[in-house]
Amino acid sequence: DIQMTQSPSSLSASVGDRVTITCRASQSISNYLNWYQQQPGKAPKLLIYAASSVQSGVPSRFSGSGSGTDFTLTISSLQPEDFATYYCQQTYSTPRTFGGGTKVEIK
Amino acid sequence: QVQLQESGPGLVKPSETLSLTCTVSGGSISDYYWNWFRQPAGNGLEWIGHIYSSGRSTSYNPSLKSRVTMSLDTSKNQFSLKLNSVTAADTAVYYCARGSVYIAQLPFDYWGQGTLVTVSS
Repeated sequence: DIQMTQSPSSLSASVGDRVTITCRASQSISNYLNWYQQQPGKAPKLLIYAASSVQSGVPSRFSGSGSGTDFTLTISSLQPEDFATYYCQQTYSTPRTFGGGTKVEIK
Repeated sequence: QVQLQESGPGLVKPSETLSLTCTVSGGSISDYYWNWFRQPAGNGLEWIGHIYSSGRSTSYNPSLKSRVTMSLDTSKNQFSLKLNSVTAADTAVYYCARGSVYIAQLPFDYWGQGTLVTVSS
């Protein structure tokens, strides 16, 4: 199985801050990397696919980058509705695997 | 707008079979991968497996493969999950989701709201 490691596991930030979350795969996955946002009690929501493509309807403050084993999700200016848990996930091979999540909390 | 809705018993006894159905509305069930996930309270997401509508091929997580069966009913726009011999460790929120075949990276673009299944006697 491909292991996905996210860091940090949690962070505190203020509205307007720039936030960066990293994700590392245990082997190269090219750009088969997607990012999801999960609000408490809700289903995950697709934000970024293919490492850097923004899903339709997702605000432009969200961006993704990376290829191979190292990936980054950036929120350029944190908004109140962005406080949530973020997961990276690979679809390079089965079983599909997720990172452990990064909880973004209000500072 | 595509919508997915999970349904099934919220309580299952140990050693019995967990059975869930996901109903797809607002779009066809054809030509997509249909997935199941679960998330124990306070924990991360686990992929259970998928069924591909064309050919009905399946792929299951090896950690659950011996206990999982997925099926699909195109006439009802539904797909289903069966997990047998359940224990308390199978208690979780279960989600269904669509995998887009039109993007090579097969992202999960539509999700159900999730349903809590508790395994307890």
